[in-house]
Amino acid sequence: AQSVTQLGSHVSVSEGALVLLRCNYSSSVPPYLFWYVQYPNQGLQLLLKYTTGATLVKGINGFEAEFKKSETSFHLTKPSAHMSDAAEYFCAVSDQVKNDMRFGAGTRLTVKP
Amino acid sequence: EPEVTQTPSHQVTQMGQEVILRCVPISNHLYFYWYRQILGQKVEFLVSFYNNEISEKSEIFDDQFSVERPDGSNFTLKIRSTKLEDSAMYFCASHREVDQPQHFGDGTRLSIL
Repeated sequence: AQSVTQLGSHVSVSEGALVLLRCNYSSSVPPYLFWYVQYPNQGLQLLLKYTTGATLVKGINGFEAEFKKSETSFHLTKPSAHMSDAAEYFCAVSDQVKNDMRFGAGTRLTVKP
Repeated sequence: EPEVTQTPSHQVTQMGQEVILRCVPISNHLYFYWYRQILGQKVEFLVSFYNNEISEKSEIFDDQFSVERPDGSNFTLKIRSTKLEDSAMYFCASHREVDQPQHFGDGTRLSIL
């Protein structure tokens, strides 16, 4: 079965600092990988996705993630944090075989002024 | 941009009562999903629906749950006899192809008293 592990339930960075949110996945078939962001009392908004092709994917709001098959990782990064980036971030995995996307436990990002 | 819409935004129900949560997926989408998020916890997959039938369901989706697409636009989740532990945020999602990201609604907060 597919699964996702997000290391660190809470990450705190200073404004302007690098953001790194870690995600490792487990899948028996080639995965589709996603990062979603959730602001308080809102639904999930897609940041970026990897299905096939280029392993470095760029998303909205300056975020990017790199699919590393050898490390089964899909870490999310942003060079310079902004106050508006404070939110909950979820990594998710699905595949072309089963329609059951599995989410990680989430990482709450706090940005300090 | 088309959106997934969910109604109501908040539903309060007595334990043991039936509840129906409603979703209108994006009109040309073919795959439909329900997820739940218990307060402070991760997003959990409940069920996926394609071609008028359930394609995948999780261990959470027991006999108390059912889904239906009664017409060409609505996608509903019914909980037959609600329990206190059904209190959660329920998200509907849809997409047109499995390698495309799922679009999420803003959720229905279900409170069981």
